[in-house]
Amino acid sequence: NAGVTQTPKFQVLKTGQSMTLQCAQDMNHNSMYWYRQDPGMGLRLIYYSASEGTTDKGEVPNGYNVSRLNKREFSLRLESAAPSQTSVYFCASREQRTAHFGEGSWLTVV
Amino acid sequence: AQSVTQLDSHVSVSEGTPVLLRCNYSSSYSPSLFWYVQHPNKGLQLLLKYTSAATLVKGINGFEAEFKKSETSFHLTKPSAHMSDAAEYFCVVSDLGKTSYDKVIFGPGTSLSVIP
Repeated sequence: NAGVTQTPKFQVLKTGQSMTLQCAQDMNHNSMYWYRQDPGMGLRLIYYSASEGTTDKGEVPNGYNVSRLNKREFSLRLESAAPSQTSVYFCASREQRTAHFGEGSWLTVV
Repeated sequence: AQSVTQLDSHVSVSEGTPVLLRCNYSSSYSPSLFWYVQHPNKGLQLLLKYTSAATLVKGINGFEAEFKKSETSFHLTKPSAHMSDAAEYFCVVSDLGKTSYDKVIFGPGTSLSVIP
């Protein structure tokens, strides 16, 4: 009964480095989402995927890419990390009337 | 379009007194509504959800919320605050919608402080 699993939980990057946040759900949900959480800004949608093979930009997509290779996994990639991308990242999945969230990934870019 | 408004950015209550966290939403269709809690440096935890069944929803830790369609509100309440309730609370709307644009929208959050 894992639900939504995010990795890594904590990461420190140097400016310009790249990395991928992984998200997997075991509930066979079609819709998946990536959010970032910043003080005073709440949670903002970066990208979402309505189904396997499709992705769309959310509110704050700049500096990120995503990949939905299969129904289960939705990854978020930072190609060249910037200090402005220091944040807490949440992955979520949704089916019909139920939404589930991962526990978050704390990312610091120095 | 969907949107969620949490009317108070910060609420402070004394331990043992009632808690009221307000949430209003707009939705084109029939929404599902959730309240999540986030303790410092922790992930999101689901408190309760409304999915078109009973309008009064009971959640964990003594919290409950009432869906009022006429007022487009989903306020969170608790009869008696506990110190451990101090956290950030998010109201969330999820709308089935009729288009392919299918989002889960977070409110901006309300920070709850509990005074001993």
